[in-house]
Amino acid sequence: GENVEQHPSTLSVQEGDSAVIKCTYSDSASNYFPWYKQELGKRPQLIIDIRSNVGEKKDQRIAVTLNKTAKHFSLHITETQPEDSAVYFCAASKDNQGGKLIFGQGTELSVKP
Amino acid sequence: DSGVTQTPKHLITATGQRVTLRCSPRSGDLSVYWYQQSLDQGLQFLIQYYNGEERAKGNILERFSAQQFPDLHSELNLSSLELGDSALYFCASSVWTGELFFGEGSRLTVL
Repeated sequence: GENVEQHPSTLSVQEGDSAVIKCTYSDSASNYFPWYKQELGKRPQLIIDIRSNVGEKKDQRIAVTLNKTAKHFSLHITETQPEDSAVYFCAASKDNQGGKLIFGQGTELSVKP
Repeated sequence: DSGVTQTPKHLITATGQRVTLRCSPRSGDLSVYWYQQSLDQGLQFLIQYYNGEERAKGNILERFSAQQFPDLHSELNLSSLELGDSALYFCASSVWTGELFFGEGSRLTVL
């Protein structure tokens, strides 16, 4: 089955710096790659997603890139703010499996003022 | 508010006991997913239902079972509980594919 590896497990940056989180997936048939943010004690919430027919997607300060050949996708956060501090999860799924998401292990991002 | 409702929010029980966690999906969503999040662990996929039928199974223990009812709510049954079953159990729903909307979770503590 699908396996998603996520790195790093923890990331500490200064406010205003950029943060990059990387994921690799094993199943070449996966075609949907979302990123979820989970604040302490809260539920995971979608922040951005990308499908396999697109190489890059941006939404204000966040962007996701996808390299299908390498089976690799990344989350980029620019101009980080303290409220970006949270655990970020990447995930992968295949539409023909009806949306079941396999998540990476998570990255705890800490943005220091 | 995601529109996904989970009850109870917190549950404390003893080893060997059985509990039932309940989930009501967003209005219109036919798919329900259950995930387990243990301390320092990611989100482990347990099981998925679509319109009352089991669609996919993850690393769900034989002591655990689930079902989705005709009104689309779902229940996750955990039996013969062990200390290691202590975790946050999330339910999520979706129309079919795409974004999953998570509930607030049910925190289970097994003593």
